[in-house]
Amino acid sequence: DAKTTQPPSMDCAEGRAANLPCNHSTISGNEYVYWYRQIHSQGPQYIIHGLKNNETNEMASLIITEDRKSSTLILPHATLRDTAVYYCIVKPFSGYSTLTFGKGTMLLVSP
Amino acid sequence: GAVVSQHPSRVICKSGTSVKIECRSLDFQATTMFWYRQFPKKSLMLMATSNEGSKATYEQGVEKDKFLINHASLTLSTLTVTSAHPEDSSFYICSARGAAGGSISNTGELFFGEGSRLTVL
Repeated sequence: DAKTTQPPSMDCAEGRAANLPCNHSTISGNEYVYWYRQIHSQGPQYIIHGLKNNETNEMASLIITEDRKSSTLILPHATLRDTAVYYCIVKPFSGYSTLTFGKGTMLLVSP
Repeated sequence: GAVVSQHPSRVICKSGTSVKIECRSLDFQATTMFWYRQFPKKSLMLMATSNEGSKATYEQGVEKDKFLINHASLTLSTLTVTSAHPEDSSFYICSARGAAGGSISNTGELFFGEGSRLTVL
């Protein structure tokens, strides 16, 4: 079972920031927060991951609360091509664990 | 980033035939590959985990004799859907994890293929 809770859908205007929340109140100390997205009829794409510090890369920023029970993925300037299902997943950093996908958030970016 | 390629991207077959889907890691060695299945408007469901040179580990409810997985090399895993039926029609996706000490830094991330859409008539 997925250990995260996300809103089923969100809307965002093109050019605006998209803030996607995720609750993971039962996260363990050795588990990281990973974000992937899946554009329609494509395989998932890695976005970003973090443990407790905020992270930023060329795609997005990840803000993790101090108690690590929730996080927010931020797409600073959403484009139409960012329309996708976004999955928040918690898992140990390494080892043989795979990704367990929940239902994710369907982000629709509109003109 | 690392590239994982699947082939074919789309396949249509008749009921009762077998279909093979290939998953290749193009620029890194993958000791472990995962196969997922995704039905329309549903999330990805893990089918099996394959480690190079050993038998695949199947998730509960997945028939190992129906979904044959071979991981004969560090860059190739195949999924064969045997005696396919219409209910096997789905989007099949593979993912790969780099080998320890290899060229891909161990960030714990998995790299996914583009997916293969199977339609069984």
